[in-house]
Amino acid sequence: GESVGLHLPTLSVQEGDNSIINCAYSNSASDYFIWYKQESGKGPQFIIDIRSNMDKRQGQRVTVLLNKTVKHLSLQIAATQPGDSAVYFCAETSNSGYSTLTFGKGTMLLVSP
Amino acid sequence: EADIYQTPRYLVIGTGKKITLECSQTMGHDKMYWYQQDPGMELHLIHYSYGVNSTEKGDLSSESTVSRIRTEHFPLTLESARPSHTSQYLCASSPTGRTGELFFGEGSRLTVL
Repeated sequence: GESVGLHLPTLSVQEGDNSIINCAYSNSASDYFIWYKQESGKGPQFIIDIRSNMDKRQGQRVTVLLNKTVKHLSLQIAATQPGDSAVYFCAETSNSGYSTLTFGKGTMLLVSP
Repeated sequence: EADIYQTPRYLVIGTGKKITLECSQTMGHDKMYWYQQDPGMELHLIHYSYGVNSTEKGDLSSESTVSRIRTEHFPLTLESARPSHTSQYLCASSPTGRTGELFFGEGSRLTVL
């Protein structure tokens, strides 16, 4: 079936650097995309979302970019901190009340002090 | 903070035993979900519910069953556990109209010997 996937399984950065986590999706019908953060031993936590009528959305220290032409999604984290160390998942769905999320494979972000 | 609780957090049982994983949320969310996640892997949807007396199977075939008799409660049952059921089970809920914003519990890690 159609799937969402990530390019890099592990990303190691130094504290203070900017981090970029990438995601490719294949379902052309997807129109709503979400990033989740999962810390060790916990459930995933919502970070930021973006709808297909946008190509960029900013939050606190995070920015999500959407390129529908190449079906690519990225999460940028500014001034990465050790507390950002976690596994990050992208997820996609259609903007329907009856749709469910499809999660991609995670990327582990390791932040060194 | 999300108010969604899973019990038990950890369970080790023998093959053939019947188990029920409990999930409760106090946010009044109509939609609830069960995901299965192996270590470092993506989340796979196994069951979901749109509300009381509504249950649906997810993308991943599962031998488990669920029930939704009350809004706040969405238990998952395995009638006869097998080693292949060893995994982490994550419960989540979402408010109406916010399909992508799931609130996850901390998970139940099941080991079947």
